[in-house]
Amino acid sequence: GEDVEQSLFLSVREGDSSVINCTYTDSSSTYLYWYKQEPGAGLQLLTYIFSNMDMKQDQRLTVLLNKKDKHLSLRIADTQTGDSAIYFCAMGGGGYNKLIFGAGTRLAVHP
Amino acid sequence: GAGVSQSPSNKVTEKGKDVELRCDPISGHTALYWYRQSLGQGLEFLIYFQGNSAPDKSGLPSDRFSAERTGGSVSTLTIQRTQQEDSAVYLCASSGRLAGGDEQFFGPGTRLTVL
Repeated sequence: GEDVEQSLFLSVREGDSSVINCTYTDSSSTYLYWYKQEPGAGLQLLTYIFSNMDMKQDQRLTVLLNKKDKHLSLRIADTQTGDSAIYFCAMGGGGYNKLIFGAGTRLAVHP
Repeated sequence: GAGVSQSPSNKVTEKGKDVELRCDPISGHTALYWYRQSLGQGLEFLIYFQGNSAPDKSGLPSDRFSAERTGGSVSTLTIQRTQQEDSAVYLCASSGRLAGGDEQFFGPGTRLTVL
């Protein structure tokens, strides 16, 4: 089955850019998602990218997809303390389909 | 309500007891999903319901786990004869279409602790 890997922890200084990486094994996923989980809260969809795209930008967020290397990344520009959370990448077939999640990357932002 | 709600928010039970976890999806969403998040792990798919179709139960870890969805809305996840390894946060999501893809809206979860 699909395997999705993420590094578990990332620490950045406030104002710097954060890059969270994700690798996957199954290239049949149609949509690739980034979710954010803040302490005590449910998961919030940040952004998603369709599998035929290489890049998507949404304000401070940039998603890059390298299908050849099966690598997905999320870049957060000008990282703020409010960005501290766990970030999950997830893969789905589109439509009404279950999502396969990575283990999550805990982003810590320090002054 | 505006979002997915789950109850209870926390549940502590003794090993061997049965528990029921409830999910109220967003009104009008036809798809409902259950996931489990164990400490330090990603989300593990358990089961999903879509309209009147037979549910996809492929993620249920054992026959102690079951779920139902009544009237196409509220869902209940039941764990029988709970074990300590069942301790986790159980997350429910519902989905509707957004342009070009599907967004699953997640509830805040039920934290289950089996003593």
